[in-house]
Amino acid sequence: KQEVTQIPAALSVPEGENLVLNCSFTDSAIYNLQWFRQDPGKGLTSLLLIQSSQREQTSGRLNASLDKSSGRSTLYIAASQPGDSATYLCAVSHSSYKLIFGSGTRLLVRP
Amino acid sequence: DGGITQSPKYLFRKEGQNVTLSCEQNLNHDAMYWYRQDPGQGLRLIYYSQIVNDFQKGDIAEGYSVSREKKESFPLTVTSAQKNPTAFYLCASSISAKNIQYFGAGTRLSVL
Repeated sequence: KQEVTQIPAALSVPEGENLVLNCSFTDSAIYNLQWFRQDPGKGLTSLLLIQSSQREQTSGRLNASLDKSSGRSTLYIAASQPGDSATYLCAVSHSSYKLIFGSGTRLLVRP
Repeated sequence: DGGITQSPKYLFRKEGQNVTLSCEQNLNHDAMYWYRQDPGQGLRLIYYSQIVNDFQKGDIAEGYSVSREKKESFPLTVTSAQKNPTAFYLCASSISAKNIQYFGAGTRLSVL
């Protein structure tokens, strides 16, 4: 059974710092991996989607990497801003429909 | 404006009552999904539908029911058989089952 773990559960950093969020999964036979952002009491916004054949994806200040063999993904946020404060969720897909989510990392960027 | 609309934003259920959560999308997406989120946890799949008039159970379907009579609508009913319904419910849709899922703003359900 696939399990997705995100460490740390919470993170507080000063503005401007570069940071890394971690996601690990137990079954490496994934279809793709996605990173989402969730603001308090709101829905999810997709940030980056990495197909199983890819090693990384970039969007603006965000860079996500995928190492299938070791069951790991990282989300790198450069030059963090207070507006980046949110919960970040990673999710893996085995088949074409089902996403299995981690419990998220709650990020606070202090001004 | 294209997107996914969930209503209501807040919902209260009395003991023994069935309640229905609405999810509508105007993105012309074939696939739609319902997830449940409990505090401090990730999302768990309740039901999904890949096409009109067809749907499948997810990991935690007990106590819930759905219908997919129209492409743009995928309502979720929380029945009285669901003994712990208090949670945040999220609806999502995608072009097909292989693509990025787009989420609505959610419905927070509480028990009176």
